Amino acid sequence: GQQLNQSPQSMFIQEGEDVSMNCTSSSIFNTWLWYKQDPGEGPVLLIALYKAGELTSNGRLTAQFGITRKDSFLNISASIPSDVGIYFCAGQPLGAGNNRKLIWGLGTSLAVNP
Amino acid sequence: EAGVAQSPRYKIIEKRQSVAFWCNPISGHATLYWYQQILGQGPKLLIQFQNNGVVDDSQLPKDRFSAERLKGVDSTLKIQPAKLEDSAVYLCASSPAGGYYGYTFGSGTRLTVV
Repeated sequence: GQQLNQSPQSMFIQEGEDVSMNCTSSSIFNTWLWYKQDPGEGPVLLIALYKAGELTSNGRLTAQFGITRKDSFLNISASIPSDVGIYFCAGQPLGAGNNRKLIWGLGTSLAVNP
Repeated sequence: EAGVAQSPRYKIIEKRQSVAFWCNPISGHATLYWYQQILGQGPKLLIQFQNNGVVDDSQLPKDRFSAERLKGVDSTLKIQPAKLEDSAVYLCASSPAGGYYGYTFGSGTRLTVV
C-alpha cells in the first residue's frame, strides 16, 4: 500500500540540540499528523495540521504543513531525554472522503544522549 | 477522559492456534480502528468501523482474521489460525465522528506466535 517517505530513519543527538525530521508524499494530502510512540505503548498524537502552510506549535515541538501539500516537517527544540522514542508522520490523501484512513510513514527513531 | 482500553497486553500462542483481542474505545467515539504494527514499521490499518458498520477492511486477511463491533462500542479482533508472520502489536484506536482525524490509540496487544 501507499506509504509516506519519512526521514531520517534514526537520529542520535546530544541533549539540548534541536531536531528536524520530515515526511514527503508523491500525492497531495489534506491532513498531516505527527505522533510519538514510546516502547510498549500506542502512538500519541503530538500535532495535527489541516491547512497548507499551517505552522503549529506544541511546547518545544513545531510542525508545518508544506505549501505543496506533499510534505510536512517536525522540529523539536532543546531536546531532553524524554524526547526519546519513535516519531511517525501520518496523513490523509486528498479525496479520501470520510473514511479517515491514514497513510503512515515508517518512523524516525530518536535517541538523546544526556 | 478514559483512554482506549485493550486487553490482553501480551499473548504468546503456537502457530495454528486461535487468539482474540478486545478493545473498548473512548466513550462516544463513533469510529474504531484496528491496526497491525510489525516491529520496525508504522501501523497498518486492518479494519475501520463507523459505529457497528465496516467502513474499510481492504487490508484485513479475511481467510484468518475477523473483527466485530457489537452495539457500536466494544470490538474484538480474532485470528484463526495464527501464523508466525502474525507476530506484531495489535493497536486499537478510536476517533469521534466529524472532521477530526487524529486518533487516540490504546497501548496495544503484543502477540508472539511461536
